[in-house]
Amino acid sequence: AQSVTQLGSHVSVSEGALVLLRCNYSSSVPPYLFWYVQYPNQGLQLLLKYTSAATLVKGINGFEAEFKKSETSFHLTKPSAHMSDAAEYFCAVSFGGYNTDKLIFGTGTRLQVFP
Amino acid sequence: EPEVTQTPSHQVTQMGQEVILRCVPISNHLYFYWYRQILGQKVEFLVSFYNNEISEKSEIFDDQFSVERPDGSNFTLKIRSTKLEDSAMYFCASIGTEETQYFGPGTRLLVL
Repeated sequence: AQSVTQLGSHVSVSEGALVLLRCNYSSSVPPYLFWYVQYPNQGLQLLLKYTSAATLVKGINGFEAEFKKSETSFHLTKPSAHMSDAAEYFCAVSFGGYNTDKLIFGTGTRLQVFP
Repeated sequence: EPEVTQTPSHQVTQMGQEVILRCVPISNHLYFYWYRQILGQKVEFLVSFYNNEISEKSEIFDDQFSVERPDGSNFTLKIRSTKLEDSAMYFCASIGTEETQYFGPGTRLLVL
């Protein structure tokens, strides 16, 4: 069955530390992969996406993610956390192999950044 | 920058009442979606819409739900008889040629 798993519902880091948010998927066909960020009481903002081009994808706010087919993963990283990065992060996957397919979301990871 | 807009931002209704949530997708987009997020849970797909008809719907999207594009700009989600469990944040999204779904800010629906 197709699924999206985000390990760790909460991640806490110190300001300036590495951010690593994990996302794994289960699919028999290459998916389209996305990371969205949700700030408190706001909607979903696209951070970055993978749609079968370069496996290392750079997004906004210094975030990047690497698609690893062998590990069925699309982990999100940022070298140095900032206080403004505190938010909920959702990994989303389109399994249909076409860009207009629905998105399946992971359960989300809440990132806390401590000074 | 073009964006998806949604109205109202908040809606409180009594159980059994009908609600209509409105969305204005980005103007040149052709595919539209509704998702919902129950408080503390993940975002769930409800329905996709293209060329004036439903492309796909989830198990959540039962006969109480309907969608419509009444004119060239609006995209609406109607819940005919709301239940307590319909309380959630409802997101509209649209997609153009960029292979990316752009989401609106959401409508928070509270059913009492």
